[in-house]
Amino acid sequence: NAGVTQTPKFQVLKTGQSMTLQCAQDMNHNSMYWYRQDPGMGLRLIYYSASEGTTDKGEVPNGYNVSRLNKREFSLRLESAAPSQTSVYFCASSEDGRNTEAFFGQGTRLTVV
Amino acid sequence: AQSVSQHNHHVILSEAASLELGCNYSYGGTVNLFWYVQYPGQHLQLLLKYFSGDPLVKGIKGFEAEFIKSKFSFNLRKPSVQWSDTAEYFCAVKGGFKTIFGAGTRLFVKA
Repeated sequence: NAGVTQTPKFQVLKTGQSMTLQCAQDMNHNSMYWYRQDPGMGLRLIYYSASEGTTDKGEVPNGYNVSRLNKREFSLRLESAAPSQTSVYFCASSEDGRNTEAFFGQGTRLTVV
Repeated sequence: AQSVSQHNHHVILSEAASLELGCNYSYGGTVNLFWYVQYPGQHLQLLLKYFSGDPLVKGIKGFEAEFIKSKFSFNLRKPSVQWSDTAEYFCAVKGGFKTIFGAGTRLFVKA
């Protein structure tokens, strides 16, 4: 059972470069999420997608864009990376319903120099 | 808007000590509360969740949490911790489609 798969696992970018983080889930979940994790700040929601074709901003959307390509895939794009975007990024998915938990990918450790 | 506050950022305990991690939340609607655990180098996993019914919720690995509506709290407890409980613990509140996390508590258990 793959669950939630993220690629790449590690990435180093130079300031100003762009890149896309990929995420795919095989649990047939409608909802998908992108979080960033920083020391002492927990996980902060960047963007989420309640269903295929819809996306919404979370707590910290600036500097990011997302695409819900289909039900399985939800990508996160950094158009012009900045050192402040150095972080660990987690993708997650969940079933519909308020009492459903999120299932997380293994994370992408991104360093912007 | 949802928000979550975790009181302790770092906790150090000896094996067999009791654990209680505080969590307070703010949300205007029906609450759905979660505790997740992140072991070193791993992704987050669900420990337990509450959405209705008995306010004392039991989760995996001997953890439990109590929902106290009047205090807007959802504290995590374990009677006797083990070295393998060393991890970071996150409280979270779900409203609608969004899940918001607290800043986390790093627990270190001394063998």
